This record gives sequence, C-alpha cells and structure tokens, in this order.
Amino acid sequence: GQQVMQIPQYQHVQEGEDFTTYCNSSTTLSNIQWYKQRPGGHPVFLIQLVKSGEVKKQKRLTFQFGEAKKNSSLHITATQTTDVGTYFCAGPLFTGGGNKLTFGTGTQLKVEL
Amino acid sequence: ETGVTQTPRHLVMGMTNKKSLKCEQHLGHNAMYWYKQSAKKPLELMFVYNFKEQTENNSVPSRFSPECPNSSHLFLHLHTLQPEDSALYLCASSQDRQGGWQPQHFGDGTRLSIL
Repeated sequence: GQQVMQIPQYQHVQEGEDFTTYCNSSTTLSNIQWYKQRPGGHPVFLIQLVKSGEVKKQKRLTFQFGEAKKNSSLHITATQTTDVGTYFCAGPLFTGGGNKLTFGTGTQLKVEL
Repeated sequence: ETGVTQTPRHLVMGMTNKKSLKCEQHLGHNAMYWYKQSAKKPLELMFVYNFKEQTENNSVPSRFSPECPNSSHLFLHLHTLQPEDSALYLCASSQDRQGGWQPQHFGDGTRLSIL
C-alpha cells in the first residue's frame, strides 16, 4: 500500500553537528508536513510545504520539498540539546476512504554534549 | 497549552474493564482524530470525525468505540482490551478534514496500559 518512509530511524550527534532526515513517499504528494515530538510529548506541527522544489527556513531548520513532490528533507544546522526528539513527515495519501494524512516512520534525534 | 486537552493522562486497566478516553479542543476546529502510537511504529490513524460525522474507521477492532457529540468533544470508549492495545492514544484536531491539507494539533495523549 501507499506509505511514507523516513531515514534514518535514529541519529546520535554531538551538539553543534548538523542533522538531516529524509522522507520518501511511494506516490506524489500534494503537500508535506513536518512535526516534532519531544520525549514524553506529543507531535507538534512545524511547517507545511506545497510547491515543487520549495525550500523554507525556520532559524536553524531548513525544509525542502523535492521537485517530483515525492520526497522531502529536514536539515538542522548546529544542533542543540533542545532539538532532541522525533521528527515526523506526513503527507496525504489515498486510502479506500479517501485522502488521509499519513505519518512517516519518524527519525529519533539524540544530541550529546 | 496546545488547545487540545486529553484526559486522563495515564490509565491502567484490566482486560475486562470498561473505560473512556476524553478529548476536548478549544480551537474552533471541525475535524477530530484518534491516533494510536506504539513503540517503534508510525502513528496509526484510528478514527476521523468531520463536523461530528465519522468519515473514517481504519479497520479498528470493535473493542474501540468512538463518540463525537459535537465538534469540540471526542471520546474513545474501551472495553475488553488486549495487552497489545497498550499504547499512547493521541487526539488531534484540524480546521476541517480536507484530504490531509490541514495541519493537525495534538493533545498530550493518554498513556494506556492493559494488564
């Protein structure tokens, strides 16, 4: 079935290093959303990308939507301990009941001092 | 404060018990969702309500029974659950259910443990 995959599943970095997570869909997406879930917390919406090749920045976070609208990436420059958490991408995929927001498998980021 | 409130935060129940999870959103949204989050698994969509009408049931076992009395409140009634149902149950809301276009706002979740 249609799905959204993310790599890597886990990433440990030293504080100050960069981090990137990649999201791949089996089909073209109308939009891609990114969420962050802190340990013990709930997913929090970060951003939505709609256009092919779109790039958006939030301080040290850079989000990119692929030209074919089937993949996306989140890059964090100079990680900090506050970046710890699991990052999920999500996109609408068609199911028997229509389009539904389907979440990726997530990338768990740990930042060490 | 997320605008979406879930109670209780933690629940431990036996397999023969009946309990209910409650979700309330203060964002003026029209769509509400129940998700299940298990360790090492993606978020699993369980139910979708749009303007109080159930629009999606993702092959969820009948031991989970949702109820949406109005656009602000959502319940998940539980009965005769199994140990594999232990998970974090998250409620979310969005402006409306436009095919996955709308960002979703999540509550803190209910951590459910089945003995």
